Amino acid sequence: EAGVVQSPRYKIIEKKQPVAFWCNPISGHNTLYWYRQNLGQGPELLIRYENEEAVDDSQLPKDRFSAERLKGVDSTLKIQPAELGDSAVYLCASSSGTGDNEQFFGPGTRLTVL
Amino acid sequence: GENVEQHPSTLSVQEGDSAVIKCTYSDSASNYFPWYKQELGKRPQLIIDIRSNVGEKKDQRIAVTLNKTAKHFSLHITETQPEDSAVYFCAASKTGKLIFGQGTELSVKP
Repeated sequence: EAGVVQSPRYKIIEKKQPVAFWCNPISGHNTLYWYRQNLGQGPELLIRYENEEAVDDSQLPKDRFSAERLKGVDSTLKIQPAELGDSAVYLCASSSGTGDNEQFFGPGTRLTVL
Repeated sequence: GENVEQHPSTLSVQEGDSAVIKCTYSDSASNYFPWYKQELGKRPQLIIDIRSNVGEKKDQRIAVTLNKTAKHFSLHITETQPEDSAVYFCAASKTGKLIFGQGTELSVKP
């Protein structure tokens, strides 16, 4: 079974530029998560989807971040415009069902904003 | 909101010794407590989890204990090996929202 797939793996951009990350969850997993992991810290949830619906986006900085999960499968996370403080690893995870089930993480996208 | 504190931030042990990592959580409604291992540059991977209706769970050299009254849970690794070297994260959750601790960097010296 293929795991969670993310692309790109690395991205370097100038501040104020836009950037987008893509995630393909494990087949059949209806819950998808986007996390941000700063260096030396644990992942922090940005947004959680159950199928197409964003059920928790309370931690998403909505002035510059947006996300979508069309058709309840793949998801994209966008930042526009990027700021220096957005440099981090962006992790996507998925789980089956809803509630507290094992979350499977993707390899992450390491974003560097110059 | 929920807060998870994890200690120590770094831990160095000799191969064969035991390692213990402790976490406390603030929300008494939390009912799911996973532990993730993250090797350098890799994705976090679940190594063991425990639910609030269980006090202890063991899987080979790894065990987790939960004290709901004190709102704390711990990871125990016995007979440590160099390949156990990684960053370990605890987390607490209710209704699917994981709140992670700050991580413990474990170094196992041969």
